[in-house]
Amino acid sequence: SQQGEEDPQALSIQEGENATMNCSYKTSINNLQWYRQNSGRGLVHLILIRSNEREKHSGRLRVTLDTSKKSSSLLITASRAADTASYFCAFTGNQFYFGTGTSLTVIP
Amino acid sequence: NAGVTQTPKFQVLKTGQSMTLQCAQDMNHNSMYWYRQDPGMGLRLIYYSASEGTTDKGEVPNGYNVSRLNKREFSLRLESAAPSQTSVYFCASSETNGLLEQYFGPGTRLTVT
Repeated sequence: SQQGEEDPQALSIQEGENATMNCSYKTSINNLQWYRQNSGRGLVHLILIRSNEREKHSGRLRVTLDTSKKSSSLLITASRAADTASYFCAFTGNQFYFGTGTSLTVIP
Repeated sequence: NAGVTQTPKFQVLKTGQSMTLQCAQDMNHNSMYWYRQDPGMGLRLIYYSASEGTTDKGEVPNGYNVSRLNKREFSLRLESAAPSQTSVYFCASSETNGLLEQYFGPGTRLTVT
């Protein structure tokens, strides 16, 4: 069964706009991570938030975590065409799980 | 520093054939992982090795075997390939099991006819 899901499945925005994607999970976690995958490539780690943290920033990325709701969100501010990719949440429960991913298209 | 490397990049097999996917990392990481990625499913963990000499089943281990040959290398074997194993396979490594970021290889695209 799918342990993590993301929404929306696909998102298309104009360059300069903000992009928000959400992740919901079913298990108790130690931490939650976000990864980016460009088409045809492996995944690249973006940011990690621990279960006792509520918000974390890294450059144009802002991640929030609500363990009571078992959910996290990733905000990319001032998006660029180069941000076009698929974004996955990943989390450690009794094993390591990935969400289903959000496909982001940033239109120049 | 190559990071995580995988061979081959592409492979076509007939049903019933066997093959081994190779993975190596040069970051001195303790933990290594094999995932498969199917459309709309995200990545699913097949097997992992928390440290040299240990291997454990992940979410979808059926039809696969693994070998942690040494600290650098972690191979995935399909003994009798089935069309349901058509997928993109990714190897990853991390310093410790599941607690820190994982580094991914470029993937192997496998088609079973």
